[in-house]
Amino acid sequence: AQTVTQSQPEMSVQEAETVTLSCTYDTSESDYYLFWYKQPPSRQMILVIRQEAYKQQNATENRFSVNFQKAAKSFSLKISDSQLGDAAMYFCAYRGESAGNMLTFGGGTRLMVKP
Amino acid sequence: EAGVVQSPRYKIIEKKQPVAFWCNPISGHNTLYWYLQNLGQGPELLIRYENEEAVDDSQLPKDRFSAERLKGVDSTLKIQPAELGDSAVYLCASSLGDRGIYEQFFGPGTRLTVL
Repeated sequence: AQTVTQSQPEMSVQEAETVTLSCTYDTSESDYYLFWYKQPPSRQMILVIRQEAYKQQNATENRFSVNFQKAAKSFSLKISDSQLGDAAMYFCAYRGESAGNMLTFGGGTRLMVKP
Repeated sequence: EAGVVQSPRYKIIEKKQPVAFWCNPISGHNTLYWYLQNLGQGPELLIRYENEEAVDDSQLPKDRFSAERLKGVDSTLKIQPAELGDSAVYLCASSLGDRGIYEQFFGPGTRLTVL
């Protein structure tokens, strides 16, 4: 079974600074997807960024980028120019490519942004 | 485009009472998921539907939980009778298909409190 581990229960960052959230995973599959979801107090899970395992290039979405290290099974999220609206729970998630694979979430990291 | 709709947003009941949650997925999304999210943890899959068929319910506690997706559109998750440990957020999500390439869109969830 796949497992996803987020070792940082809480992180804080000063507004306009950069922060990196860590995630490691365990799998025996070769084709899979990795995701970072944001969950604000409203509870709505919002997809921040996704990475296909077969792509060597790290995904970027505006201020959000990932550092995907397939051999090390590491998938960190970097948030640049942090904004107050970035404060939320962030969940790393894994899913195999094949139909029937379920989305497996890590335990989450609470990000606080200081003005 | 309307997102995934869930109701109610909050529900407070006494133990041993029944409760039901409703979810309306994004139009055209064949795959529907129910997740359980305990406080401070990532979501865990309870059941997955492909159209009206429950194709993965291995994590659903069948002694007290039941779900249905009549006509392959909206879905209802029921607990009867509820226990104190059922207090959690119940999230519904939908996607075009079940393979990893398809993004899962989440609803705002229902926060259940069992007294």
